[in-house]
Amino acid sequence: QKEVEQNSGPLSVPEGAIASLNCTYSDRGSQSFFWYRQYSGKSPELIMFIYSNGDKEDGRFTAQLNKASQYVSLLIRDSQPSDSATYLCAVNPAGGGNKLTFGTGTQLKVEL
Amino acid sequence: NAGVTQTPKFQVLKTGQSMTLQCAQDMNHNSMYWYRQDPGMGLRLIYYSASEGTTDKGEVPNGYNVSRLNKREFSLRLESAAPSQTSVYFCASSPGQGAEAFFGQGTRLTVV
Repeated sequence: QKEVEQNSGPLSVPEGAIASLNCTYSDRGSQSFFWYRQYSGKSPELIMFIYSNGDKEDGRFTAQLNKASQYVSLLIRDSQPSDSATYLCAVNPAGGGNKLTFGTGTQLKVEL
Repeated sequence: NAGVTQTPKFQVLKTGQSMTLQCAQDMNHNSMYWYRQDPGMGLRLIYYSASEGTTDKGEVPNGYNVSRLNKREFSLRLESAAPSQTSVYFCASSPGQGAEAFFGQGTRLTVV
């Protein structure tokens, strides 16, 4: 079982719709969770982090964490073509020191 | 503020050649990381340094060595390059335990 799992996609949504990206993790003791966006040929950039159960909102982005079910999700409201990218979920495992473990990413396509 | 700077951006090596990838950060971060990214594999941790003076193996350390030269700099060395090491390499830094990582622009390495 991979430590962090994501559906590779592509996930296609129409412009203006809500995009929902999901991630599950295996280490129940994980404490920190991150979403990165990566455009083709570019480096990953941080868009959200969440540490506590529940929702965290930042503009059009909402991160949701459910530690009991070991999943974290990212909602993108009013999706724009510029949101088309690969979204990487990252987890800081318990006892893993400072290292971040990444999922393989979900490709999002926002269509006009 | 440059953030995380990697050199070179592109490199072509012949099998058996050696090279060092350089990384420097100006954010006074404690932790630094080297990842490789291959299609369909996501970001895989090669080595990391939780703090100055320490280094630890990640998921895929074979064929690589690292040096944490000082708090700012973390280099990755390929002693005898192999075609399987063709990849995009990212350096990242983080303030510390459980915190987000910030990435350099990447080095695209091809071993022929």
